[in-house]
Amino acid sequence: DADVTQTPRNRITKTGKRIMLECSQTKGHDRMYWYRQDPGLGLRLIYYSFDVKDINKGEISDGYSVSRQAQAKFSLSLESAIPNQTALYFCATSEMRTGLYNEQFFGPGTRLTVL
Amino acid sequence: AQSVAQPEDQVNVAEGNPLTVKCTYSVSGNPYLFWYVQYPNRGLQFLLKYITGDNLVKGSYGFEAEFNKSQTSFHLKKPSALVSDSALYFCAVREPASNTGKLIFGQGTTLQVKP
Repeated sequence: DADVTQTPRNRITKTGKRIMLECSQTKGHDRMYWYRQDPGLGLRLIYYSFDVKDINKGEISDGYSVSRQAQAKFSLSLESAIPNQTALYFCATSEMRTGLYNEQFFGPGTRLTVL
Repeated sequence: AQSVAQPEDQVNVAEGNPLTVKCTYSVSGNPYLFWYVQYPNRGLQFLLKYITGDNLVKGSYGFEAEFNKSQTSFHLKKPSALVSDSALYFCAVREPASNTGKLIFGQGTTLQVKP
């Protein structure tokens, strides 16, 4: 979805390096999410945020941190990257105002390789 | 704990034939169910959702899904497959009692439609 952008799209880094993945959205949504996708495991939630002051851990938050700089921006950081963090990372957004069952809209993904 | 299972890693169908991609779920209470599609090098795109009402839900690109409460299933279907439907499909469930908007994804099913 072009309304949700992620940078970079691809990144190769070395073990121990700090990495930041950025997500921006123009949909005006309150909620933002970070997932990682691994083959055969589907998508797993890393962190989610309801607004700038509300950030919550997902099921696999260890080794990751996030920052919600503005309603439209949600960054994911790997403080010290390790090889098993090699994965495809997705940012997603959803709207909160109109109910509890709104679908999420996904960015194009960032393919991260940690050597 | 809520969970989603997609029992088939891959489904192969000839173009023009009907297709079914299976999904079963486990959740307390009435579920909110979603199907997403991922084309190569793209993010996930929303196809359809079941919240309440008619058990047969119609979505994008001619897809539909049937909610079966007794079998806890939400299978994705299309009457006549196209080669362009070849992609990775994800089923997801959201626990209605939760206000977080978090989705639990299945592991994904690769659909291969052959000419």
